[in-house]
Amino acid sequence: GDSVTQMEGPVTLSEEAFLTINCTYTATGYPSLFWYVQYPGEGLQLLLKATKADDKGSNKGFEATYRKETTSFHLEKGSVQVSDSAVYFCALTLVAGGTSYGKLTFGQGTILTVHP
Amino acid sequence: DVKVTQSSRYLVKRTGEKVFLECVQDMDHENMFWYRQDPGLGLRLIYFSYDVKMKEKGDIPEGYSVSREKKERFSLILESASTNQTSMYLCASSLSGAFQETQYFGPGTRLLVL
Repeated sequence: GDSVTQMEGPVTLSEEAFLTINCTYTATGYPSLFWYVQYPGEGLQLLLKATKADDKGSNKGFEATYRKETTSFHLEKGSVQVSDSAVYFCALTLVAGGTSYGKLTFGQGTILTVHP
Repeated sequence: DVKVTQSSRYLVKRTGEKVFLECVQDMDHENMFWYRQDPGLGLRLIYFSYDVKMKEKGDIPEGYSVSREKKERFSLILESASTNQTSMYLCASSLSGAFQETQYFGPGTRLLVL
């Protein structure tokens, strides 16, 4: 079946450090890929997405590129802030055929803590 | 502004009790979802609904049921709560069609079953 694997956390960084959170996937069709973020005490919010190979999603200084050849969608940010401390989830959905109803398959989540 | 609300942020229930978790969205979305979130396991889909009175099992439906009598409301029911159902429960909604992939989440309900 479809699955998403994220790098294990937790990840602890100092402010202004470079961030990479790895995400790889397996899927039978042509997935759309997502990064969701969950701030403390809140639900998930969409951070960015990419719907086809070589697309780059970006938002709030975060970027991720849909790499079909390596089945990856790694999240990067050049300079993290304390306010980026959160749990980050990689996810996919298969829209082909219109029968998936947008069901998401999530990775296990990566906890990021940024210290001043 | 998009809004998904859940009836409670925290709930404490006893083993064997019937538990209702309510979710309401104000975006006229066709699709609604219930997930549970556990450390190290990410989010796992319990049930989803793509229309009023329609429902489909997700990956872990055992011990749960759902109800969707109105488009904006999707309820998760624990028929007889057990301690292994202690978890964070998240509701989400999305449009159908070309934009169906973006899901909007509520703040979650943290359920403790004693």
